[in-house]
Amino acid sequence: EFVLTQSPATLSLSPGERATLSCRASQSVGSYLAWYQQKPGQAPRLLIYDASNRATGIPARFSGSGSGTDFTLTISSLEPEDFAVYYCQQRSDGLTFGGGTKVEIK
Amino acid sequence: QVQLVQSGAEVKTPGASVKISCKASGYTFTSYTLHWVRQAPGQGLEWMGWINCGNGNTRYSQKFQGRVTFTRDTSASTAYMELSSLRSEDTALYYCARCFYHYDSNNYYCVAMGVWGQGTTVTVSS
Repeated sequence: EFVLTQSPATLSLSPGERATLSCRASQSVGSYLAWYQQKPGQAPRLLIYDASNRATGIPARFSGSGSGTDFTLTISSLEPEDFAVYYCQQRSDGLTFGGGTKVEIK
Repeated sequence: QVQLVQSGAEVKTPGASVKISCKASGYTFTSYTLHWVRQAPGQGLEWMGWINCGNGNTRYSQKFQGRVTFTRDTSASTAYMELSSLRSEDTALYYCARCFYHYDSNNYYCVAMGVWGQGTTVTVSS
């Protein structure tokens, strides 16, 4: 079974700073990786699919990269509304989510 | 606009079953696959499986195999998730989520979950 490990668990940053979130797979998932953002009391929102493709309406400050087992979500300059929990998800075999990274205000 | 509206909160006793609905609007129901995902209080997301709302085909996560059933009523544009033999660990917020399709090589692929319902809270307690 695929395991996705996200790091760090918590990222403390200030608005305007760059955020770099990592997702590592226990085995290769190719490029079949998505990223979601979830704010308190809300359903998740799709940000990135197939490792690097932004979903409709997602701002350009969000970017994804990687393939195989190592993936990165980068937020180039944090806006106040970006402080949330982020999940990666693979679809190479079944479907699995990572444990999440919380981006909090420093 | 595209919407998934789920049924209301449920409180169940251990050993009981729960059936949650997910009503779709704003798109052709039978053209999309729906996933079911749950989230225990303060925890991460857990995929339960999917149902092809066109042909009714299903795929279940191994963890829930034998205990979960997905169905749909195409005349009502509604999908259902039934979970049986409930235990306290099943206390969670349950979401339905529509496939997000990407067109590539003359075909459409479900690459992620693009539209989510608002979630249904299920509490299992004696």
